[in-house]
Amino acid sequence: AQKITQTQPGMFVQEKEAVTLDCTYDTSDPSYGLFWYKQPSSGEMIFLIYQGSYDQQNATEGRYSLNFQKARKSANLVISASQLGDSAMYFCAMRDGPGTASKLTFGTGTRLQVTL
Amino acid sequence: GAVVSQHPSWVICKSGTSVKIECRSLDFQATTMFWYRQFPKQSLMLMATSNEGSKATYEQGVEKDKFLINHASLTLSTLTVTSAHPEDSSFYICSVLRSSTDTQYFGPGTRLTVL
Repeated sequence: AQKITQTQPGMFVQEKEAVTLDCTYDTSDPSYGLFWYKQPSSGEMIFLIYQGSYDQQNATEGRYSLNFQKARKSANLVISASQLGDSAMYFCAMRDGPGTASKLTFGTGTRLQVTL
Repeated sequence: GAVVSQHPSWVICKSGTSVKIECRSLDFQATTMFWYRQFPKQSLMLMATSNEGSKATYEQGVEKDKFLINHASLTLSTLTVTSAHPEDSSFYICSVLRSSTDTQYFGPGTRLTVL
């Protein structure tokens, strides 16, 4: 079974609007972490935001926020006030093992296109 | 500024030759680095975990004799693709683990083309 599922291969959003990128996950480990990365056309993976499984509040980083719904096993990324520079691939990832040996499992990604 | 650097950013080589890719942690010392490969329009696939001072841990299906990993210092890991073939052409990305936050920071990637 897929550990990380991103069901939206592509999304369009108008500049200055908000957009939600979906991510669901599957794990039996009570301790896990969820990450979102942005990959522009240059290829670099840029860390955006992190949510720990025990965090009580949803993570926020500037225009990025993570809508963490533990019971539904979803960790959607919300980008507010979209900018043209937000156009990129977005990957959701999960770490579901403790300690420094933890590995990330990535979803298939969502390509976001911001339009004028 | 950049936290992780990779060199070279792109390389073209002939089939049968070996290629070395360097991954450097610029901001902090890292006992753990990771190597991924990414085919066009696909997600990242973990190849191996690079551990400073010890042998790398390879994922299932990844040939350790073909993809040699050396993590000789707390700021440098290298991936050598030995006897490269056209099917090894891919985008190789390393990441560095910041232990205090358990967050991986990625390098800019290396695009390898084997002719």
